[in-house]
Amino acid sequence: GAVVSQHPSWVICKSGTSVKIECRSLDFQATTMFWYRQFPKQSLMLMATSNEGSKATYEQGVEKDKFLINHASLTLSTLTVTSAHPEDSSFYICSAQSPGNEQYFGPGTRLTVT
Amino acid sequence: QQQVKQSPQSLIVQKGGIPIINCAYENTAFDYFPWYQQFPGKGPALLIAIRPDVSEKKEGRFTISFNKSAKQFSLHIMDSQPGDSATYFCAASWDTGRRALTFGSGTRLQVQP
Repeated sequence: GAVVSQHPSWVICKSGTSVKIECRSLDFQATTMFWYRQFPKQSLMLMATSNEGSKATYEQGVEKDKFLINHASLTLSTLTVTSAHPEDSSFYICSAQSPGNEQYFGPGTRLTVT
Repeated sequence: QQQVKQSPQSLIVQKGGIPIINCAYENTAFDYFPWYQQFPGKGPALLIAIRPDVSEKKEGRFTISFNKSAKQFSLHIMDSQPGDSATYFCAASWDTGRRALTFGSGTRLQVQP
């Protein structure tokens, strides 16, 4: 089956610092990856679409300067939370779109900003 | 128009029962309807998906029923087990050059032994 990994699985950082989260598709190439945010007991909220070799597309209300996305290769997308604040604490999940257009999700990254 | 409405919010069944989770949509451009299972602290896992040209799809103990005219689809879990206790999300997408998923609000299923 399709496997998507995320690293790190959890991270604690101090307010004002930046954190980078990696998303990798391990057994297929993904020209499109997606980044979601999920608060406890809530659904997934799409933050942005990451396109290999081009700029990311951000959803309305998502600050592109705060959540930097880079999709440098067909198997890797990164999300950098810049100048993190406690309200950025959340569960961040990426997904990769397979050649058959299914989306496979990573295991998620728990970010805690102190 | 982009919403996918999911019900119930939570569901408790006995082992062996058949929980049914329902979703409804408005956007007739949607052409792909997956269901995901999520355990606490984990990412969603694709369970089963359907396209609107079929009315039912079965994979193992999971069945999707699709009613195009009513713009509704549902997930049935046959012979449910305690290990099926999780949150289930329906979703929908259409081809806009990208296939971003619109998720339902989720259903927390508890299967009692």
